[in-house]
Amino acid sequence: QVQLQESGPGLVKPSETLSLTCAVSGYSISSGYYWGWIRQPPGKGLEWIGSIYHSGSTYYNPSLKSRVTISVDTSKNQFSLKLSSVTAADTAVYYCAREVAPAEYFQHWGQGTLVTVSS
Amino acid sequence: QSVLTQPPSASGTPGQRVTISCSGSSSNIGSNYVYWYQQLPGTAPKLLIYRNNQRPSGVPDRFSGSKSGTSASLAISGLRSEDEADYYCAAWDDSLSGYYVFGTGTKVTVL
Repeated sequence: QVQLQESGPGLVKPSETLSLTCAVSGYSISSGYYWGWIRQPPGKGLEWIGSIYHSGSTYYNPSLKSRVTISVDTSKNQFSLKLSSVTAADTAVYYCAREVAPAEYFQHWGQGTLVTVSS
Repeated sequence: QSVLTQPPSASGTPGQRVTISCSGSSSNIGSNYVYWYQQLPGTAPKLLIYRNNQRPSGVPDRFSGSKSGTSASLAISGLRSEDEADYYCAAWDDSLSGYYVFGTGTKVTVL
């Protein structure tokens, strides 16, 4: 059974870059599927950030595209998120997930990690 | 940013049927599949319905999805206490360069 685990700093200063990694177990990223990031501000709804294929092909939410970079490391079986120039509005629980296909559904999710943006 | 509108809340007593609506537009629900996710308190979302009305293995048949035009619905029949959760619809939106959009979310309370 595929499992995903997010990791990274829980506190980031305003204007800095948020960096998270999602470690995948039980499935080789190189075998296929898309891998995505979704976030949820405290007490609010879900927002898709972007997704990546094992080849490195990416697609991002237009509202975040200028600040987001998603990359994949098949040798470590993990993928990563970088969000630059963060503000308090970027405080959220960040989830990584496996996407069945582009523009399709997220089948498996990590447990999520809270990232707070504060000085 | 959400362009999929859901009622903020819905409720019912055990055994009742509850329906949640999801209103979109021609660029999302009107031209793409609808998905539903269940988020129990303090946990990650879980896929409940995919491709409008398909249930993943392990999801009880008490949950059903439908779509008509630019709207979709999730029905929960035989409501149980463990169904108390937040429910989100989702779809791909073809506008701009295309993006995945979630609904505003509905909190279901079992009275």
